[in-house]
Amino acid sequence: AQKITQTQPGMFVQEKEAVTLDCTYDTSDQSYGLFWYKQPSSGEMIFLIYQGSYDEQNATEGRYSLNFQKARKSANLVISASQLGDSAMYFCAMREFPFSGGYNKLIFGAGTRLAVHP
Amino acid sequence: NAGVTQTPKFQVLKTGQSMTLQCAQDMNHNSMYWYRQDPGMGLRLIYYSASEGTTDKGEVPNGYNVSRLNKREFSLRLESAAPSQTSVYFCASSEGQGFGYGYTFGSGTRLTVV
Repeated sequence: AQKITQTQPGMFVQEKEAVTLDCTYDTSDQSYGLFWYKQPSSGEMIFLIYQGSYDEQNATEGRYSLNFQKARKSANLVISASQLGDSAMYFCAMREFPFSGGYNKLIFGAGTRLAVHP
Repeated sequence: NAGVTQTPKFQVLKTGQSMTLQCAQDMNHNSMYWYRQDPGMGLRLIYYSASEGTTDKGEVPNGYNVSRLNKREFSLRLESAAPSQTSVYFCASSEGQGFGYGYTFGSGTRLTVV
């Protein structure tokens, strides 16, 4: 079963508008972390934002915010005031802390390609 | 600059050839990882090393071997390359094993097997 689901293969947004990239996750653990990474056309992976499962407030980092709905197991990325430089692939990822043991790794979704139009 | 350094950045191999992808980090991280990225599939874990001296298989280990040479270096070897191994390979490291620790990634290696 997919642990991380990103249902939007591609999205586009007009410059200066806000956009939401969807991410749902599947875990039976109580302790986990959710991450978003950006991959521009140059190929590197850039960390954007982190949300812990016990965090009561939604995480924010500049123009990025994470809309965390724990009961729905969703962790959507919101980019406000989109810029041309936001055009990239975006990956949602999760790291669990299984009480049953085993090593926890970062698990990635398939990604969403965002295009910002002028 | 501190971070994760991968070499080479690009490589073309013929089917059956072997090669080693090199990765080094200078952040004193304990854990290191090798992922491959394929279109529509995100990043999939090939092998990881939780700490110096240990290595374990990830989701897609077939056709690969790894060596954790020391705390800094974690190499990935393709013994007999196949076209299915055409991919972008990322090395990453992590400071800790808690769920709050993300990864620092290298810049990637684009490998084509013909």
